[in-house]
Amino acid sequence: GAVVSQHPSRVICKSGTSVKIECRSLDFQATTMFWYRQFPKQSLMLMATSNEGSKATYEQGVEKDKFLINHASLTLSTLTVTSAHPEDSSFYICSANLGTGGTEAFFGQGTRLTVV
Amino acid sequence: QKEVEQNSGPLSVPEGAIASLNCTYSDRGSQSFFWYRQYSGKSPELIMFIYSNGDKEDGRFTAQLNKASQYVSLLIRDSQPSDSATYLCAVIKTSYDKVIFGPGTSLSVIP
Repeated sequence: GAVVSQHPSRVICKSGTSVKIECRSLDFQATTMFWYRQFPKQSLMLMATSNEGSKATYEQGVEKDKFLINHASLTLSTLTVTSAHPEDSSFYICSANLGTGGTEAFFGQGTRLTVV
Repeated sequence: QKEVEQNSGPLSVPEGAIASLNCTYSDRGSQSFFWYRQYSGKSPELIMFIYSNGDKEDGRFTAQLNKASQYVSLLIRDSQPSDSATYLCAVIKTSYDKVIFGPGTSLSVIP
């Protein structure tokens, strides 16, 4: 199957700093990638849709100025958590779909963010 | 009404039994349906996908889809302790490729 690589897998940062998470599609081009956040014992919540060459589409309640998304190429999307706070500590997962509609989503390995 | 709903569980079954996981969705026009398994601290991994009404079997897993009832299920035969995980039902909506996840059902297979 297709491979989506996410980096880093784990990061600890100080409150007030920014953290960048990368999501790469290794063997296919992804015009669209998705960013999810998952709190303990909860399901994946879609944060935003990352579109190559255009602005990301954010879900309701997600602060676009706090969670900056850049999709500069067909194989790379980045999520930057700005001015991180302890409540931003979570498991962040990216995904990309092969094709359009009716195809499975391939997930990155996830990034465990801890803000201290 | 949530877009994708599942019983949160936990669902406990003895080893060797059949585990039945259920999911309903609200968007009648949804096209594609997926079951993912997620172990604690890990990303989801795809178990099954189904697009057409009826049953689809893959090894010990059978997915069932009933679009009229907006219902999709996953049966796990001969359940093993290694099947203990959270199972996420997911749906791709008609106009978008984004995947909408249900809350997940926690399954525990007791040796």
